[in-house]
Amino acid sequence: DADVTQTPRNRITKTGKRIMLECSQTKGHDRMYWYRQDPGLGLRLIYYSFDVKDINKGEISDGYSVSRQAQAKFSLSLESAIPNQTALYFCATSETGTYGYTFGSGTRLTVV
Amino acid sequence: GDSVTQMEGPVTLSEEAFLTINCTYTATGYPSLFWYVQYPGEGLQLLLKATKADDKGSNKGFEATYRKETTSFHLEKGSVQVSDSAVYFCALSWEYGNKLVFGAGTILRVKS
Repeated sequence: DADVTQTPRNRITKTGKRIMLECSQTKGHDRMYWYRQDPGLGLRLIYYSFDVKDINKGEISDGYSVSRQAQAKFSLSLESAIPNQTALYFCATSETGTYGYTFGSGTRLTVV
Repeated sequence: GDSVTQMEGPVTLSEEAFLTINCTYTATGYPSLFWYVQYPGEGLQLLLKATKADDKGSNKGFEATYRKETTSFHLEKGSVQVSDSAVYFCALSWEYGNKLVFGAGTILRVKS
């Protein structure tokens, strides 16, 4: 099994629908992140969490919310999806005191 | 705020050609610098890193030197292979395990 697992891998949803992207990890890392990748823009940080009780907004948090259900689980929600949220979403983990980041394989979300 | 600028792609090279992908950063102080690689359909993987000025990171034949005078971290490889075809991201971070700031990514295509 992958160290960082994202579900679903692909999703097509309609404008206005609520959708949740899930991320789970077996690395035992304390820090988790959600990034969004758009062509020509690189990866931009949506939300991050340094432990279960710590949630922080990134540079593009509007329209998104997150939940850290456990150290190993970090979910991203789009409360009312819109077409410009069509993108590739990555979950990542890291451990305090190290430089190692582990990325999931990504969720490709299309909002129609 | 902090930012990373990479040369625009795609970069198309023949096998065994020399590779340079330029990366410069804007930040107050001296962050740690990274190169990540994303192969088709996969998440990002750490390729190499440098944590202080004049450090050289290296891995799999790739090298990059942290140049504080020019705020640069250019990626080089002496002889590319078709298997090096991927998207390469330059990134910075301010402390162990902290969030990354990414450049836009550079697509590399290597022809046989």
